[in-house]
Amino acid sequence: DGGITQSPKYLFRKEGQNVTLSCEQNLNHDAMYWYRQDPGQGLRLIYYSQIVNDFQKGDIAEGYSVSREKKESFPLTVTSAQKNPTAFYLCASSRQGRGSTGELFFGEGSRLTVL
Amino acid sequence: DQQVKQNSPSLSVQEGRISILNCDYTNSMFDYFLWYKKYPAEGPTFLISISSIKDKNEDGRFTVFLNKSAKHLSLHIVPSQPGDSAVYFCAASPISNFGNEKLTFGTGTRLTIIP
Repeated sequence: DGGITQSPKYLFRKEGQNVTLSCEQNLNHDAMYWYRQDPGQGLRLIYYSQIVNDFQKGDIAEGYSVSREKKESFPLTVTSAQKNPTAFYLCASSRQGRGSTGELFFGEGSRLTVL
Repeated sequence: DQQVKQNSPSLSVQEGRISILNCDYTNSMFDYFLWYKKYPAEGPTFLISISSIKDKNEDGRFTVFLNKSAKHLSLHIVPSQPGDSAVYFCAASPISNFGNEKLTFGTGTRLTIIP
C-alpha cells in the first residue's frame, strides 16, 4: 500500500545530542514537509522540499536540518541547538503542479522526548 | 501572528446532533481551505476542502461553508457519530500557478461526541 512511513515512533534523547527522524514515501509525490505539533498549538512548518536536492525553511527552522537526496526520503535532524525539541513530529507529502488539490498526506508521527 | 484561528479549543456534541467547527483567517491571499481530522498519536487525515470560488462543498455527512468577505469558514458534521471524536484542524493556502503552496494550520478544535 502507498503511504508515508516515519521512524522511530518514539525516541528519547539526552540533552546535547543530535537525533535524526526518518521519513519515507512511496506515493511518488514531489513535495515533502516536516511539521511539529505542540499541545494547544497548530501544526507548525519546520522545513519543506518541493523537489530533490532543494528545500526551504518553514516558520520554525532554527535548530533543525534536512536533506532531500532522493525523492522518496526527507530525513529531519533535530540538533542540540534546538532549545525545546520535545514534541510530536509529523512528516507529510503532496503532489505538486497544476491540478494538485493541496491535500497533504501525513505519516503517523514521531514523538521525541528530551530527558 | 496566527493567520488561521480556531477560537474554540474544544466542543462537545450529543450523538446524532450537528457539530459545527469554526475557523477564521486573516491573510487575504488564502484561496484554498482544508479540514483535517486527527486521532491521538496518529497523523492528520484529509477530510474536505473548498476553494474560494465556492461558498459550499459537501461530502456525505461533512459540509464546509466559506464566507470570504468575513474570512470565515465552518465545518458541519451531521449527524455526529462517536467515531467523529477527534481533533479537527483548519488549514489554508494561497494557490499559485504551480500548485499548492505550504499550508498554514489553525490550532485545532477537540470534538467529543457524547453517546
